[in-house]
Amino acid sequence: DTAVSQTPKYLVTQMGNDKSIKCEQNLGHDTMYWYKQDSKKFLKIMFSYNNKELIINETVPNRFSPKSPDKAHLNLHINSLELGDSAVYFCASSHVTQDFNYGYTFGSGTRLTVV
Amino acid sequence: RKEVEQDPGPFNVPEGATVAFNCTYSNSASQSFFWYRQDCRKEPKLLMSVYSSGNEDGRFTAQLNRASQYISLLIRDSKLSDSATYLCVVMDSSYKLIFGSGTRLLVRP
Repeated sequence: DTAVSQTPKYLVTQMGNDKSIKCEQNLGHDTMYWYKQDSKKFLKIMFSYNNKELIINETVPNRFSPKSPDKAHLNLHINSLELGDSAVYFCASSHVTQDFNYGYTFGSGTRLTVV
Repeated sequence: RKEVEQDPGPFNVPEGATVAFNCTYSNSASQSFFWYRQDCRKEPKLLMSVYSSGNEDGRFTAQLNRASQYISLLIRDSKLSDSATYLCVVMDSSYKLIFGSGTRLLVRP
């Protein structure tokens, strides 16, 4: 039973295309995230949703649009793909209360290559 | 200045060696601290949380110095399977995890 699952695992596409990455968690967590890991292996947060509401939106081009249909799913749609979008995208989830964050669980990543 | 800074390494050590990684963070309001481990082409996985009093989990010991904004990880009796990238991670007041760029460890036979 995969706790946080992402699809697809690999995605190769041409510049200018539009693509989506899907994420689902079966942990009952209320908060989900998208992180980007670039070629220098630096992991940086893009978005965070809590109970379907956007709570963190870092400086990300508006070609990237997250959607959370319910608290178990957080999808990422990318318009007009550019070469610089090539990276590994990780979905994660966590349980957050007023006092504590009980830690993140990451999906296995989606390796996006734009050619 | 990066929010979380680590020596990228690589640290190349023989099996059985003791190795230490250090990390500094810039935001004094940071709330929680962690070490994550990331194997090649895999997702990051939580290794251990870091508490002010210092904490140990088997061969791994983590220390936090809030005054100096400094975190460390000590690995004793290194195993081949410890080869990975170790990520220093800080949680800010909005529960956002901020990652260092990682320190690569290679344990050789």
